[in-house]
Amino acid sequence: KAGVTQTPRYLIKTRGQQVTLSCSPISGHRSVSWYQQTPGQGLQFLFEYFSETQRNKGNFPGRFSGRQFSNSRSEMNVSTLELGDSALYLCASSLGATGAPSYNEQFFGPGTRLTVL
Amino acid sequence: KQEVTQIPAALSVPEGENLVLNCSFTDSAIYNLQWFRQDPGKGLTSLLLIQSSQREQTSGRLNASLDKSSGRSTLYIAASQPGDSATYLCAVGSGSEKLVFGKGTKLTVNP
Repeated sequence: KAGVTQTPRYLIKTRGQQVTLSCSPISGHRSVSWYQQTPGQGLQFLFEYFSETQRNKGNFPGRFSGRQFSNSRSEMNVSTLELGDSALYLCASSLGATGAPSYNEQFFGPGTRLTVL
Repeated sequence: KQEVTQIPAALSVPEGENLVLNCSFTDSAIYNLQWFRQDPGKGLTSLLLIQSSQREQTSGRLNASLDKSSGRSTLYIAASQPGDSATYLCAVGSGSEKLVFGKGTKLTVNP
């Protein structure tokens, strides 16, 4: 069974640009969550999607948005990039069958390393 | 607001030693607790998941315990090997419907 895949693995952008990251969950998983990891703040929750609906959202500005498609694949978009957005962006998938993602084991992808110059 | 703390931040041990990593959380109303391993520049690998109704879980040389009332979990690694070198993260699933992570313990096992 294939794991969680994320594309691209590395991105270099300049301030003010926008970026789209993609995540394909494990087959059969319906919940996809996104996290930002930085050396200073550690892992922080961005948002979670289940059945194409955003079910929960962390404390990030509106420049961070996402969506989920009918096949459970998810994309995350960051507009008007800032230097502080440089981070490893991780997505996680879970069954989501019992509702909240925190009931279920989360499986993480390899991440997308975003560098903003 | 749930806060997760992991102590120590870094640990260096000789190969073969048994060791314990600690995780504490402030709100005992949790759904589960998950331990992960992260290699440099890589994603997270799930090691063990403990549901709130369980006291411990075991997988090979790893054993994780959970004491909800005291807000603590430990990850016990038996007979450590150089390949165990990585950062170990604990994460709590609580009523806010998201995983709250500690900052991790960076483990180095010296041959």
